[in-house]
Amino acid sequence: QKEVEQDPGPLSVPEGAIVSLNCTYSNSAFQYFMWYRQYSRKGPELLMYTYSSGNKEDGRFTAQVDKSSKYISLFIRDSQPSDSATYLCAMRDAGGTSYGKLTFGQGTILTVHP
Amino acid sequence: DSGVTQTPKHLITATGQRVTLRCSPRSGDLSVYWYQQSLDQGLQFLIHYYNGEERAKGNILERFSAQQFPDLHSELNLSSLELGDSALYFCASSRTNNEQFFGPGTRLTVL
Repeated sequence: QKEVEQDPGPLSVPEGAIVSLNCTYSNSAFQYFMWYRQYSRKGPELLMYTYSSGNKEDGRFTAQVDKSSKYISLFIRDSQPSDSATYLCAMRDAGGTSYGKLTFGQGTILTVHP
Repeated sequence: DSGVTQTPKHLITATGQRVTLRCSPRSGDLSVYWYQQSLDQGLQFLIHYYNGEERAKGNILERFSAQQFPDLHSELNLSSLELGDSALYFCASSRTNNEQFFGPGTRLTVL
């Protein structure tokens, strides 16, 4: 079983829709949670990161972390065709030998249709 | 543009060969990370350097090695290449371990 599970999709939505992307994880030591966006043949781009449980909002993006359920989400409001990309969740624990290691989900492919 | 540069963009080589991938971090970033992305394994952490010192290792093969130089650029050396080493190799840099900024990657094809 992978430490981080993410539904690969693909997910296809109309422009303007609210998109919900999710990851579950098994390692209770994870404390920091990130969402990356990756366009085809490009490097991952950091969208947001959160620490421990709670919500964080940045423009059209909202990240939620529920550590009790080991579940994180990214919501995209008013989705645009330019949001079409692969979305990767990532997480890391607080230290020890893993230090800067990020553990990624498999990524969800999102397409937003005009 | 993240500010992280990687060279070369593409590399095509044969099995058994050795290659070197280069990464220049963002100005001021002391940490450099290497990741491998393949279709079946996804994005996998290889190794982390901080100011020239190795800080953490992932499932990096013994045939792979890395180093970070005094000017903070880093190189990833891959030797005795196998077909399965074909992948995208990303370098990331950061000031904090959470905000890692990725470069454009090097696409390695082993024939």
